Amino acid sequence: GENVEQHPSTLSVQEGDSAVIKCTYSDSASNYFPWYKQELGKGPQLIIDIRSNVGEKKDQRIAVTLNKTAKHFSLHITETQPEDSAVYFCAASHSGTYKYIFGTGTRLKVLA
Amino acid sequence: DAGVIQSPRHEVTEMGQEVTLRCKPISGHNSLFWYRQTMMRGLELLIYFNNNVPIDDSGMPEDRFSAKMPNASFSTLKIQPSEPRDSAVYFCASSPAQGVGETQYFGPGTRLLVL
Repeated sequence: GENVEQHPSTLSVQEGDSAVIKCTYSDSASNYFPWYKQELGKGPQLIIDIRSNVGEKKDQRIAVTLNKTAKHFSLHITETQPEDSAVYFCAASHSGTYKYIFGTGTRLKVLA
Repeated sequence: DAGVIQSPRHEVTEMGQEVTLRCKPISGHNSLFWYRQTMMRGLELLIYFNNNVPIDDSGMPEDRFSAKMPNASFSTLKIQPSEPRDSAVYFCASSPAQGVGETQYFGPGTRLLVL
C-alpha cells in the first residue's frame, strides 16, 4: 500500500547547526507534500509545504526540496534554535484524494 | 482567525463511560477530519466529512466510535463505551474546499485517558 518513510527518527544538533529530515513516498501520483511541526502537548502545525510543480521552496530558515524522480523530499532547517526542538512530520497527498499519508515523525532536539 | 477549536483539552474517564469530544473547524472550511495519535500507530485518520456529510469512516475502529457533524461549525466524536485502549490524543483538522490536495489545519487535540 501507499506509505511514507521518514528518517531519522531522532536527531540531535547543536544550536546554530543545520538539520535535515528526509522522506520517501511510494505513490507516484503524490503531488502535495506538507511538513508539520508538533510541539509537546500541541497539535501539528503546518510549517511549509511544496507542490510537485516546483523543486524547492524556502521560508526564512526553513526549506523543502523535492525530487519527483527519486520520490523523496527533505526538510532543511538552518541556524537551528532551541525553539526548533519538536517532532516533525512529513506527509504526502495528491489532488485526487483528501488523505494524507504521514511519515512516522522525527524528534529534533536542538542543544544549546 | 481562531483556528480549529477542540474541547475538552483533557479528559479522564473510567472504562465503560461515554466520552464526547468536540470540534469547531475554521470558518469557511468545508472539510473536517478526526485523527487519533498514539505512540504505537502514529496519526490515524478516523473519519472525513465534506460539507457536513461523512464521506469516509473506514478508519473508525469499532462500533463504539461514532461521529457527527450537524452543521458547518461543529462536530463531535463519541466513544461509548470507552475502553483503556482508547487512550490517545484525538485531533480534529479542517481544510478548505473538498480537502483534496489541500492543507489540513489541526486543532490542539484532546488528550483522553481511560482508566
